[in-house]
Amino acid sequence: DQQVKQNSPSLSVQEGRISILNCDYTNSMFDYFLWYKKYPAEGPTFLISISSIKDKNEDGRFTVFLNKSAKHLSLHIVPSQPGDSAVYFCAASATTGGFKTIFGAGTRLFVKA
Amino acid sequence: ETGVTQSPTHLIKTRGQQVTLRCSSQSGHNTVSWYQQALGQGPQFIFQYYREEENGRGNFPPRFSGLQFPNYSSELNVNALELDDSALYLCASSLPYTDTQYFGPGTRLTVL
Repeated sequence: DQQVKQNSPSLSVQEGRISILNCDYTNSMFDYFLWYKKYPAEGPTFLISISSIKDKNEDGRFTVFLNKSAKHLSLHIVPSQPGDSAVYFCAASATTGGFKTIFGAGTRLFVKA
Repeated sequence: ETGVTQSPTHLIKTRGQQVTLRCSSQSGHNTVSWYQQALGQGPQFIFQYYREEENGRGNFPPRFSGLQFPNYSSELNVNALELDDSALYLCASSLPYTDTQYFGPGTRLTVL
């Protein structure tokens, strides 16, 4: 049962343009959402998060949007840079779930120079 | 500040054997979680340790077990290895009752 879904295995974007990575979830108990970035041969690195009491969180070039009614979140990267090329994982947790974090399968982002 | 470290980097075992993977948490972090990442998938939660006690477990059989030591380092033990156990095993440390985790580089386990 995939509770967190990233339906796009890969995404290719031109340098300087916007990258939009999408994530859907099914468990309405999730109240905290995170994005991690992973380079080859490294572990995932925390990028940005959002609590369910918010619908937007911004950190520099990265913005996460949460639509609770649609159970959908997205990560926007503006402007995209070649160094952003990596696998991006969406993750979710429920305060009542003992902080067990559920990850999506990831989206590989390619930013072309 | 020392990050999360894992050993070994790579490991090859045969079916039926047992394996122990090790993790040192980031300085000041007393919570450690273990994940299994199969090829093409996201990390799957195995279990979490807080102050040397198991603090939550995912859908993994009992042959996956763990330990946390007083210095907050941790071990993941897998008995009776199966071919499907071949994966990248990630350790992540965090402060208690927080969602942001800091991952190590992982141990690549191959079961033949």
